[in-house]
Amino acid sequence: DSGVTQTPKHLITATGQRVTLRCSPRSGDLSVYWYQQSLDQGLQFLIQYYNGEERAKGNILERFSAQQFPDLHSELNLSSLELGDSALYFCASSGPGQGHQPQHFGDGTRLSIL
Amino acid sequence: QKEVEQDPGPLSVPEGAIVSLNCTYSNSAFQYFMWYRQYSRKGPELLMYTYSSGNKEDGRFTAQVDKSSKYISLFIRDSQPSDSATYLCAMRGSRNTDKLIFGTGTRLQVFP
Repeated sequence: DSGVTQTPKHLITATGQRVTLRCSPRSGDLSVYWYQQSLDQGLQFLIQYYNGEERAKGNILERFSAQQFPDLHSELNLSSLELGDSALYFCASSGPGQGHQPQHFGDGTRLSIL
Repeated sequence: QKEVEQDPGPLSVPEGAIVSLNCTYSNSAFQYFMWYRQYSRKGPELLMYTYSSGNKEDGRFTAQVDKSSKYISLFIRDSQPSDSATYLCAMRGSRNTDKLIFGTGTRLQVFP
């Protein structure tokens, strides 16, 4: 168990809808990362938050947004969903120390768009 | 061309075999190199982490980084059926970014 909790585990919805994915980082971790994993693209970095502030952005669509709350949990909002958004969405967290801090992953949310 | 290339496999080996998993990369700015293991319906689990070139050993696992060739390897000795999973290499650039770039993963099956 990595200590990173993601809910829900599985989400089924229709095109055009909006969903919210939730992530609770490991105790003490200040950074939260969101990744998308699809069969053809592998794991792709979406966005990083550090202690409530956006720190880095990757290949995140404008229809997607995220935030990190004062209690450090994070939410990824996906709107105007398309069939191609079907994927596994992973959250990872890392500690606040100097140097490289390993990222620890949750078990993901599987999003299925019908 | 992808920044990180990894053979998707599948790689099928008998129990007890030595397994070699590899990734190549094109960005010479990468400094941190990681191997993750991912079981079906689970998140990636960090196995090994190496900074710059060199070797690192942890139990049955050895990670090697050759920055001159832009090539990293993970060796698994005395492989077990429980090692059957997808292995992902990941890399990170300078200290100014925490973003990880992943390979697409190699599926490994160890049969008894």
